[in-house]
Amino acid sequence: AQKITQTQPGMFVQEKEAVTLDCTYDTSDPSYGLFWYKQPSSGEMIFLIYQGSYDQQNATEGRYSLNFQKARKSANLVISASQLGDSAMYFCAMWEAGGSYIPTFGRGTSLIVHP
Amino acid sequence: EAQVTQNPRYLITVTGKKLTVTCSQNMNHEYMSWYRQDPGLGLRQIYYSMNVEVTDKGDVPEGYKVSRKEKRNFPLILESPSPNQTSLYFCASSSAGGPHSSYNSPLHFGNGTRLTVT
Repeated sequence: AQKITQTQPGMFVQEKEAVTLDCTYDTSDPSYGLFWYKQPSSGEMIFLIYQGSYDQQNATEGRYSLNFQKARKSANLVISASQLGDSAMYFCAMWEAGGSYIPTFGRGTSLIVHP
Repeated sequence: EAQVTQNPRYLITVTGKKLTVTCSQNMNHEYMSWYRQDPGLGLRQIYYSMNVEVTDKGDVPEGYKVSRKEKRNFPLILESPSPNQTSLYFCASSSAGGPHSSYNSPLHFGNGTRLTVT
């Protein structure tokens, strides 16, 4: 079974609108971290935001926020006020504290921002 | 500037010709790893290293070798490349220092190496 599931292969959003990219995860480890990365067409992987399993507040970084619902095991990325430069692949990842040193990545969601 | 540097960015080679992709980080990170990215398969870890002289297999280690003789460098070696190793490769590092501190340490990625084996 996949540990990280991103159910939206592709998403479209109008410039300046908000968009939510879904991520659900599966773990029995009480200690884990959830990460989101952006991969533009140029190919590099850019770290966006982190949420720890014990964090009480949802993480925010500028226009990025993470909607963390622990009981539902979801960690959705919210991008507010979308910009054309947000068009990219987005990957959700999880690193379990008690597991191996191998973070798990989802298959990614392609986001296209329309002008 | 804190970064992970991998070279080359692009590499075209022939089956069986040994090659090395270099990776260096300047953040004094103990943890380093290699990933390959293939369409529809996402990122899969090849090898990782928790410290100098300490390496271990990831999910897809077959056909690859690594070494960690210095903390900052973690080269990926393909002794006899084959066409199924054509892929986009990433090196990454993290300040993860142990099993109970790894989960809050993001990976910092290099810019990628696009390898084609003909």
